[in-house]
Amino acid sequence: QQQVKQSPQSLIVQKGGIPIINCAYENTAFDYFPWYQQFPGKGPALLIAIRPDVSEKKEGRFTISFNKSAKQFSLHIMDSQPGDSATYFCAASAGGDYKLSFGAGTTVTVRA
Amino acid sequence: ETGVTQTPRHLVMGMTNKKSLKCEQHLGHNAMYWYKQSAKKPLELMFVYNFKEQTENNSVPSRFSPECPNSSHLFLHLHTLQPEDSALYLCASSQDWGRDEQYFGPGTRLTVT
Repeated sequence: QQQVKQSPQSLIVQKGGIPIINCAYENTAFDYFPWYQQFPGKGPALLIAIRPDVSEKKEGRFTISFNKSAKQFSLHIMDSQPGDSATYFCAASAGGDYKLSFGAGTTVTVRA
Repeated sequence: ETGVTQTPRHLVMGMTNKKSLKCEQHLGHNAMYWYKQSAKKPLELMFVYNFKEQTENNSVPSRFSPECPNSSHLFLHLHTLQPEDSALYLCASSQDWGRDEQYFGPGTRLTVT
């Protein structure tokens, strides 16, 4: 049973566009929501993370929006660049548990 | 060398072979993990070690056998694998098993023929 559902599976945007990736969860005990970025041939790397006490978090061009009542969170990539082309994974865990439940990933392609 | 390293980066093995994957972390972390990454699927947690002790075995078939001789090294011994075991195997580490920030290695691309 997949605990975190991620969409879309892939998306293509032009340089400067804003790709948006959505994730939904059911487990209300989840209290930590990280996003990982993975380039081909590399392992996933932590990009940005949010806890449910805030509705939005920005780090550079990356923004997480969090809707606790809807049990959804999303990643926005502002002013996207070709170097942002990668696979993005959302994840969630509960109570500091090491068990991260991952989404299936979204492959983002930014065309120059 | 820094971060989490894995060797080999690519491995092709027959179903009757025995091979081992190696992971080393240079971050001073106490917890290490093995994940399986298959195309279009979420990462699957396989094993967790905390201070060299196995704390999680996520219903992994016995043809996968982990070993953690110390907090810096983690092995995954493979034997009698099946073609469906072909995947990217990722190692990760974190400061301790209760912390959320996990740092991943580049993975070993395994192909079982």
